[in-house]
Amino acid sequence: EAGVAQSPRYKIIEKRQSVAFWCNPISGHATLYWYQQILGQGPKLLIQFQNNGVVDDSQLPKDRFSAERLKGVDSTLKIQPAKLEDSAVYLCASSWASTGELFFGEGSRLTVL
Amino acid sequence: AQSVSQHNHHVILSEAASLELGCNYSYGGTVNLFWYVQYPGQHLQLLLKYFSGDPLVKGIKGFEAEFIKSKFSFNLRKPSVQWSDTAEYFCAVNPGGSYIPTFGRGTSLIVHP
Repeated sequence: EAGVAQSPRYKIIEKRQSVAFWCNPISGHATLYWYQQILGQGPKLLIQFQNNGVVDDSQLPKDRFSAERLKGVDSTLKIQPAKLEDSAVYLCASSWASTGELFFGEGSRLTVL
Repeated sequence: AQSVSQHNHHVILSEAASLELGCNYSYGGTVNLFWYVQYPGQHLQLLLKYFSGDPLVKGIKGFEAEFIKSKFSFNLRKPSVQWSDTAEYFCAVNPGGSYIPTFGRGTSLIVHP
């Protein structure tokens, strides 16, 4: 079975620029998560989708971050404009059940200069 | 808000030593509990999980964890570590009925050959 696909793997941008990350979950997984992992910390949930609806986005900085999951499959996370503190690995994960067992992608490492 | 505490941030062991990593959570209701591992250069993957039943659960590669409800703990153990166990270990908690796992900050384990 194919895993969670993410792209790009690495991105370097200047502050105030924009960036977008893409995620394709495991086929059949209805739940999709975006996590932010800053160096030395555990993953922090940004947003969770159930099919194409948002379940929780309480920790998403909505003034600069946005995410969508059209058609309940692929998802895109966008940051505009980026700040230095957004430097992190952005993890996408998917799940087929509400038990919380997650399947992670390789992550997208963002460096903001 | 619930929280997950991992008290050991960095652990260094020699091969064949025993391992115990602590995990405590603050949620008082029913929970699902997980340990995830991230080997160098790889994505996060599930090591073991507890949903219900026997509080001593066994995972891959000889790892086990014990759920002690009265202590709100889910400590990870391995009787004899190997160099290949060098990785980051994350404890995660999913409150029963919720879709949202919360992660601890992780423990970096280095095993010297």
